[in-house]
Amino acid sequence: TQLLEQSPQFLSIQEGENLTVYCNSSSVFSSLQWYRQEPGEGPVLLVTVVTGGEVKKLKRPTFQFGDARKDSSLHITAAQPGDTGLYLCAGDRGTSYGKLTFGQGTILTVHP
Amino acid sequence: GAVVSQHPSWVICKSGTSVKIECRSLDFQATTMFWYRQFPKQSLMLMATSNEGSKATYEQGVEKDKFLINHASLTLSTLTVTSAHPEDSSFYICSADYRPYEQYFGPGTRLTVT
Repeated sequence: TQLLEQSPQFLSIQEGENLTVYCNSSSVFSSLQWYRQEPGEGPVLLVTVVTGGEVKKLKRPTFQFGDARKDSSLHITAAQPGDTGLYLCAGDRGTSYGKLTFGQGTILTVHP
Repeated sequence: GAVVSQHPSWVICKSGTSVKIECRSLDFQATTMFWYRQFPKQSLMLMATSNEGSKATYEQGVEKDKFLINHASLTLSTLTVTSAHPEDSSFYICSADYRPYEQYFGPGTRLTVT
């Protein structure tokens, strides 16, 4: 079973601070994605990295990838209260495109 | 573009009844949609893959007779929770393939079974 480990589980910071969230796996996925989810809503795609290292960035945060599609970190500079939410990394299993395995998530709170 | 809707956004039903949840891709066609469930303060778990024109494929441990999926068209998939019980109460979220490695999620449906 392919698993994704996210850390930390909770992060509480002040507006303007920087933060990094980590996502690690023991196996390689065909793609890794980051999502942000607000309470009572569905996840919103932030970025995807696919085979060959191509990165499709859709939103503001910056991303770094270690062993491509296996380890990833999400870095947000000068966080804003609007960045508050649940951040999820997800891996595409590859055997059948689109089936995502999600990490357990990081709850980020940015205080004004 | 790439908007996915769900209906209803929340529903309360009595134990033993069935509930249908709709997932629609509003501005694109999706041959494949996915259904997830999410318990409070937990992550998303894939339940099944909905394929237009063919049977859904279910993840291990998901009862196909309990969670009926129908992908009626390229813009609509439905999930029916049959004979619902309180343990089925959860947040159900669908997603639709927009293009390779890019799928979009619906806003979710909160199901409460009393």
